[in-house]
Amino acid sequence: DIQMTQSPSTLSASVGDRVTITCRASQSISSWLAWYQQKPGKAPKLLIHKASSLESGVPSRFSGSGSGTEFTLTISSLQPDDFATYYCQQYNSYWWTFGQGTKLEIK
Amino acid sequence: EVQLMESGGGLVQPGGSLRLSCAASGFTVYSEYMNWVRQAPGKGLEWVSVISGADNTHYADSVKGRFTISRDNSKNTLYLQMNSLRPEDTAVYYCARKVEDDDWGQGTLVTVSS
Repeated sequence: DIQMTQSPSTLSASVGDRVTITCRASQSISSWLAWYQQKPGKAPKLLIHKASSLESGVPSRFSGSGSGTEFTLTISSLQPDDFATYYCQQYNSYWWTFGQGTKLEIK
Repeated sequence: EVQLMESGGGLVQPGGSLRLSCAASGFTVYSEYMNWVRQAPGKGLEWVSVISGADNTHYADSVKGRFTISRDNSKNTLYLQMNSLRPEDTAVYYCARKVEDDDWGQGTLVTVSS
C-alpha cells in the first residue's frame, strides 16, 4: 500500500504570509497527486490535481509542485478564507490514500 | 449540473448493518469509477471503496469482508452495504467521482454505538 506522509500537521500563519505544505509518498506515484481544502462540516474541495494543475476557479495564489515521491502545496499570500485543513491524496492506483492533513490556523 | 446525495446514515449498534445510498444526477453512475470515502469525527479522510466502470471492486483493508459496494444503473444510484459494524466505523461517509471531476456528496453520518 502507498502511504502518504504530510507535514506539518498544524501550521500557524498570518494573513499575507507565504506557506508551504509537504507531502511524501512511500513509493513513486508519478504526478498522480491532488490537494484538497476542507472546512468544518463540508466536503473536501479540489484545489490541484496532477500535482500542479490548478482546478478551475481556484485562486492563482495556490500552486503545487513535485513528482515521484515529494510534493508541495504553496499558498503565496494567505487570505482570511484560506484558514482551513488541507489534505494531499494519491490516486496512482485504483485506491486512494490521503495524507493526515494540515490544519492552517491564524497566528 | 452534477449532484451526489448520500442517505441512509444513522445510529446502529455494534454488529449491526446499514446500507448507504448515493443518488446521482447530471451524469450516469454506469461505467464511472465511483468511490466511498469516510471521515471519523475530528479525524482525516479515509478511502473506503471503489467500483470501476467494469464493475471491479476494491476495498480498504479496514472494511474488507464487511462492506460491499454496488450500483443500480436503473436508479442511477451507488450503494455501500455495511455489515458487522464496529464503533471505529463511526464517520461521515461521502460518495465521490474520480479526482478530476471533484464531485462529492454532502456526506451522511453513521454512528455505531450501543
